[in-house]
Amino acid sequence: SQKIEQNSEALNIQEGKTATLTCNYTNYSPAYLQWYRQDPGRGPVFLLLIRENEKEKRKERLKVTFDTTLKQSLFHITASQPADSATYLCALGSAGGYNKLIFGAGTRLAVHP
Amino acid sequence: GAVVSQHPSRVICKSGTSVKIECRSLDFQATTMFWYRQFPKQSLMLMATSNEGSKATYEQGVEKDKFLINHASLTLSTLTVTSAHPEDSSFYICSARDFLTPGGETQYFGPGTRLLVL
Repeated sequence: SQKIEQNSEALNIQEGKTATLTCNYTNYSPAYLQWYRQDPGRGPVFLLLIRENEKEKRKERLKVTFDTTLKQSLFHITASQPADSATYLCALGSAGGYNKLIFGAGTRLAVHP
Repeated sequence: GAVVSQHPSRVICKSGTSVKIECRSLDFQATTMFWYRQFPKQSLMLMATSNEGSKATYEQGVEKDKFLINHASLTLSTLTVTSAHPEDSSFYICSARDFLTPGGETQYFGPGTRLLVL
C-alpha cells in the first residue's frame, strides 16, 4: 500500500540555521508533491508545489527538491526564524481526474532563538 | 487570493444532536472540495471528496449517513454530522481546489472547525 514517511521526531534547530525536512514515499508514483505548514488548531497553509519533472523549486527562504528515483522530497528553510516553528506536512498527488492528496504525518519544527 | 473559510470555528453540542459545518471558497470557484478530520498529533484523514452538483465520494470506513455532505454550488460545501456522539469530537477541516484552472492541483484549506460533543 502507499506509504509516506516524514521525520517522526521533532526537529530542533537554532535560529539562523537551515532546517531540512524529509519526505519519503513507497508504492506510489506521484505526479506532484506539495508542502504545507500547519500551526496548532489551524488548517494547513499551502507553501510549495513541485511536479515530477521538476528537480527543485524555490520561494523566498524555502526550497523543495523532488527526486523520483530516490522517491524523496527535501524541504529546506534557510535563515530559519522562531516564527517558522510549526508542523510541516508533505502531500502527494496524482495526475488528472479528481484524485485526492495523500498526506504524511508531518514533522514538527522548533526554531530556538 | 485562494481563501477558504469555515463556519463555525468551534462548536459544542449535546450527544444526539446534528451539527452543520460550512466551507466556502471566497475568491475562486471550487469544482472539488474535500473534508478531513484530524485527531491530536495525527495527520489529516480524508473523509470524503465532494464535486459540485454530484454525490460525494466517501473514503472506506466513513459512514455516509453519519456524515452528510452537500456541494450545491461552486463556492459552498457543507458537512452535517448527524446524531453526533462524543467519539465524533474532532477537528474537521475542509479544502477546495479549482480543477478547471491550469495548475489547479493545489488544495487550499479552511481554518478548521473544532467539534466537541458532550
